[in-house]
Amino acid sequence: LAKTTQPISMDSYEGQEVNITCSHNNIATNDYITWYQQFPSQGPRFIIQGYKTKVTNEVASLFIPADRKSSTLSLPRVSLSDTAVYYCLVGPVSSGGYQKVTFGTGTKLQVIP
Amino acid sequence: EAQVTQNPRYLITVTGKKLTVTCSQNMNHEYMSWYRQDPGLGLRQIYYSMNVEVTDKGDVPEGYKVSRKEKRNFPLILESPSPNQTSLYFCASSGLASGKRKETQYFGPGTRLLVL
Repeated sequence: LAKTTQPISMDSYEGQEVNITCSHNNIATNDYITWYQQFPSQGPRFIIQGYKTKVTNEVASLFIPADRKSSTLSLPRVSLSDTAVYYCLVGPVSSGGYQKVTFGTGTKLQVIP
Repeated sequence: EAQVTQNPRYLITVTGKKLTVTCSQNMNHEYMSWYRQDPGLGLRQIYYSMNVEVTDKGDVPEGYKVSRKEKRNFPLILESPSPNQTSLYFCASSGLASGKRKETQYFGPGTRLLVL
């Protein structure tokens, strides 16, 4: 399983765009990259997933370069409610769902008024 | 409402007293997993199950047992709990049947366990 490395923490002002990068040098061909958001005392919540290039949904964008050894989660115009821990997860996703997976230690994002 | 439920939400016990944390999902998902979360260590997978009667070890299976006799339930069993199993535990499920994207894992609300 690909090990992931993320910054431990980040600060951002409200209204700014935040980019969180995850390194996964040993990513395998069949691995997907998934990002989760977690608030204190709650379970993680899916944000976005991608395999290559760029993926965008209603809350975030995910940029994956051609070599797939890193990925960047982009949160546009963050608000105070985006203060949370963000996890990058790399692993295979079969037709039914997740098998053995390894979460990184996460990036704690603090949004400042 | 699609959800993963865990019980109990909070539990204080003593060393060696067997306990079970239940997990149930109503989305007809094939895959279920158990994680523990400790400060500074993030989420670590304990066991996962790809379907009924199919389970396998995650990264930290020592001291835990699981069973998957029904598709919707995936209990976590601590036969002889020890203080180093004090942690926050999450159950999760994923699969095709919910109508959502298959790659999404749905997490339960968590069970906070203290072993004295």
